[in-house]
Amino acid sequence: GAVVSQHPSRVICKSGTSVKIECRSLDFQATTMFWYRQFPKQSLMLMATSNEGSKATYEQGVEKDKFLINHASLTLSTLTVTSAHPEDSSFYICSAREGGSDTGELFFGEGSRLTVL
Amino acid sequence: GQNIDQPTEMTATEGAIVQINCTYQTSGFNGLFWYQQHAGEAPTFLSYNVLDGLEEKGRFSSFLSRSKGYSYLLLKELQMKDSASYLCVPMDSNYQLIWGAGTKLIIKP
Repeated sequence: GAVVSQHPSRVICKSGTSVKIECRSLDFQATTMFWYRQFPKQSLMLMATSNEGSKATYEQGVEKDKFLINHASLTLSTLTVTSAHPEDSSFYICSAREGGSDTGELFFGEGSRLTVL
Repeated sequence: GQNIDQPTEMTATEGAIVQINCTYQTSGFNGLFWYQQHAGEAPTFLSYNVLDGLEEKGRFSSFLSRSKGYSYLLLKELQMKDSASYLCVPMDSNYQLIWGAGTKLIIKP
């Protein structure tokens, strides 16, 4: 199946700093990528939909100025957590579908565990 | 509203069979996925059903009844590595995936 790679897998940062997480589709082009957040023992929560060449679509309650998303190419989307605080500590996961289909298998990155001290 | 109902936790024995049931309510329907998620890892795809009936893939099978808003995942010949959370994820009319907390499956020797 298709491969989505996410980096870094773990990051620890001080409160107030910014952290960038990269999501790459290695063997397919992804016009759309999705960013999720998951707190322990809770469901995945969709944060935003990243569209190549245009602005991301954020879910209700997600601050777009805090969670900056850039989808500059068909294989790379980045999520930057700006001015991170301890409550931003979570598991961040990206995913993508091959091509522009709305259906079909969703491929996930390995996830990035963010710990803000 | 949109809703998914799955058992929170199930326990089964290595080598046995287990069925994880899921009922759902969505605004429209464009299929249902089952994902496996090991602790601390991202979900991995298991199956996708869009028509009624049973889809078999190796040790795993998934069933869908659209009229009943019901699906199940059947796992045969359970192995210790099958200990994970299993997520029933329907897709609504806007192609949005509806995520719940899933069922945590514990396999005992």
